[in-house]
Amino acid sequence: KAGVTQTPRYLIKTRGQQVTLSCSPISGHRSVSWYQQTPGQGLQFLFEYFSETQRNKGNFPGRFSGRQFSNSRSEMNVSTLELGDSALYLCASSLIGKANVLTFGAGSRLTVL
Amino acid sequence: AQSVTQLDSQVPVFEEAPVELRCNYSSSVSVYLFWYVQYPNQGLQLLLKYLSGSTLVESINGFEAEFNKSQTSFHLRKPSVHISDTAEYFCAVSDPNRDDKIIFGKGTRLHILP
Repeated sequence: KAGVTQTPRYLIKTRGQQVTLSCSPISGHRSVSWYQQTPGQGLQFLFEYFSETQRNKGNFPGRFSGRQFSNSRSEMNVSTLELGDSALYLCASSLIGKANVLTFGAGSRLTVL
Repeated sequence: AQSVTQLDSQVPVFEEAPVELRCNYSSSVSVYLFWYVQYPNQGLQLLLKYLSGSTLVESINGFEAEFNKSQTSFHLRKPSVHISDTAEYFCAVSDPNRDDKIIFGKGTRLHILP
């Protein structure tokens, strides 16, 4: 059973650019969550999608957006990149319902210069 | 909103010594609690979880955690650590009666000293 796949694994952008990250969940998982991981802040919740609808949202500015497709794959986009957006972006998928245990991908490491 | 506090950002411990990683959460009527582990250059993996029932939960690699409702804590312990336990450990909480959002602590980096 394939795990959660995130692409690209590493990328470098400059300030003002935009970036799109992709996440393919485990087959059968319909919920996808995104987290930003930085050394100072730990894991911060960005948003969660379920059946193509955003179900939860964290406290990030509108530059951070996401979507989910009918096959449960998800993308997140960050526009007008800032230096502080440099981080490891983690995607996690889970089955529906309560007590949803998250299965994480290896992450996409974004460096903004 | 739920929050999680991991008081120690780093914990050094000698190999084969016991360790406790502390985790406290903001109070709620009911909670689900988790510990995740992140090995270098990898994503997070579930270590153990508390949903209901016995307050002591165990993982397959010797870790255990005890849910203490009165102290709103879910500390992680291992009686004897191994060099392979070197990793960052994250405590997480969700409120099943609200939005199911899983909130993580800032993590504790476990350093195993030879």
